[in-house]
This record gives sequence, C-alpha cells and structure tokens, in this order.
Amino acid sequence: GAVVSQHPSWVICKSGTSVKIECRSLDFQATTMFWYRQFPKQSLMLMATSNEGSKATYEQGVEKDKFLINHASLTLSTLTVTSAHPEDSSFYICSASGQVLNTEAFFGQGTRLTVV
Amino acid sequence: GESVGLHLPTLSVQEGDNSIINCAYSNSASDYFIWYKQESGKGPQFIIDIRSNMDKRQGQRVTVLLNKTVKHLSLQIAATQPGDSAVYFCAENIRDNNNDMRFGAGTRLTVKP
Repeated sequence: GAVVSQHPSWVICKSGTSVKIECRSLDFQATTMFWYRQFPKQSLMLMATSNEGSKATYEQGVEKDKFLINHASLTLSTLTVTSAHPEDSSFYICSASGQVLNTEAFFGQGTRLTVV
Repeated sequence: GESVGLHLPTLSVQEGDNSIINCAYSNSASDYFIWYKQESGKGPQFIIDIRSNMDKRQGQRVTVLLNKTVKHLSLQIAATQPGDSAVYFCAENIRDNNNDMRFGAGTRLTVKP
C-alpha cells in the first residue's frame, strides 16, 4: 500500500504553546487528508477533513480555531494544536486518500502529544 | 456521533483457534467497510475491505462477512496467532463522502499461547 508519514511521532509541549504535526503522502498525491484523535483505550474520532487548496471541514464539536489544518499541497497536510492544554494530550493520526471514492485511505503512524 | 459500534470490547482466544470479531453499523447509506488492526502506539493497519455489493470477502487467514439486512459486519481470523493480538476496528465510509472512514469502538483481541 501507499505510505503516509507523520512527524513527529511523539512530542511533549508546555501548556499554552502550539504544536504542529505534519502528515505527508510519500508516493501518491493525496487530494484529501483526514485527521483523527484517539484517547487511550478509545476509538479513532474524526476531527476534520481537508482537501488540497481549500478550507478544512471540521466535525461537530471540534474547534477550528484551536486545531488549525492546512493542506497546501497534494503531499502535505499539517495540524497545529494552538494554545495546547493537558486535555489535548492524545494520539493524533492522519490518513490520506487519492481521487478514487470508496477506496482505502492510508494511515500515518500517529503522533503522541503530551501537554504538560 | 459515530454510527459504527461493536458488540464485544474484548476477546481472548487460544493460539490456533479461530477468532470472530463483530461490528454493527447503523447507517444504511454506508457502502464500503474496512477492518483495521491497531497495535499499541501505532496507526491503524488495513486488513481487509468489502463493498456493499458483496456479502463475503476472503483474504489470507481473514474473512469479512457483511449482512446488510441487519447492518452487521464480522471479521474471522483463522488459526489465530500471538501476532494477531491487537485492537481491531471496523470502519465505514458513507456514500458520496470522500473516503472519510468512521470507526467503531474497537475490540481488543488477546491470543493466549
């Protein structure tokens, strides 16, 4: 399958600071990227969907001003957690898909964010 | 909220036995389903998928069954091995959306040697 890379794989930041997570599709053009959040022992919850060159669509209850998503190219999307708080500590996972509907989206390895 | 859920949060089986993991979904518009395996600290790993025009699909040691009448999915793992121990999620894609997968609650499979 195609490769999606996330960076960093883990990060610790101080409360009040911002953290940027990158999601790259390494061998295909990702017209759409998805950002998920996963708390311990819970499922993946979709946060937002981003299409290259347009604004992200956020799921209900996800603050767009807190979780800034940029999808500036067909191979890169970024998620910035602004003014992070300890409750933002979670596992953030991206996935990417090409242009064909109803096909597999490829997942990154995830980023463990710890806010202290 | 999410429309996909699971009957059993945990499943423990003996090595060599077959495993069956179940999943219920509520959105009749969903027409594409994937089973994922997730190991601790890693992203989901694709196992097998099935489209709504099928009721069964087989892979290597895995079979997915889809019953659209009762909105039920199952994942069967044959001859379960210790390396199969992980959390398994079913996920659905809603028709006309853009490949955004909605995940169920997950089942932790533990394989005892």
